[in-house]
Amino acid sequence: GAGVSQSPSNKVTEKGKDVELRCDPISGHTALYWYRQSLGQGLEFLIYFQGNSAPDKSGLPSDRFSAERTGGSVSTLTIQRTQQEDSAVYLCASSSSNLMSHGYTFGSGTRLTVV
Amino acid sequence: AQSVTQLGSHVSVSEGALVLLRCNYSSSVPPYLFWYVQYPNQGLQLLLKYTTGATLVKGINGFEAEFKKSETSFHLTKPSAHMSDAAEYFCAVSSMDSSYKLIFGSGTRLLVRP
Repeated sequence: GAGVSQSPSNKVTEKGKDVELRCDPISGHTALYWYRQSLGQGLEFLIYFQGNSAPDKSGLPSDRFSAERTGGSVSTLTIQRTQQEDSAVYLCASSSSNLMSHGYTFGSGTRLTVV
Repeated sequence: AQSVTQLGSHVSVSEGALVLLRCNYSSSVPPYLFWYVQYPNQGLQLLLKYTTGATLVKGINGFEAEFKKSETSFHLTKPSAHMSDAAEYFCAVSSMDSSYKLIFGSGTRLLVRP
């Protein structure tokens, strides 16, 4: 597509429920990133996918968080047993192979509210 | 570990005034540096970047930034603020342990007064 698409744009869930957030990157972009943006804070790196390589999961805050990327394209971030501290905007970004020369292209994010 | 510090969570300027948003980073090697802008309810948009070469880089919407190695700074400036510049601005640096991971500052919200 023309840009990075994320869905849903807003999600309200009850504490303890599981949620799935979806990211559809720019066609042809091999790299895909998930970041979390909490109120008043910067962006926190969560996970990175590059082609068929093993993902870098070093930023995932707990084992309740997982992500997958199917067919090198769409990615799903899953949060199990959501907690109130999971409330944040979850941003997805993608990039071509020349990562640092072009930077990332971000989606509009999913605002997750855990009540 | 690398870090990025943005001084001032909020900066307020009058329309037509100079915009100066400060960014300092910690790195023992020259990093790649980026400024992103986030308008309300939108994702982040790349304003400009420094990778190599000329230390004064120009970006979109009249913004520019200068990489100063001696000061480990990459401040963002614009000579004359416009109402449409009101947004949140993030400075980011490439991670030393990975060429693909960006470390972001906590952001500065720019307010433009009429």
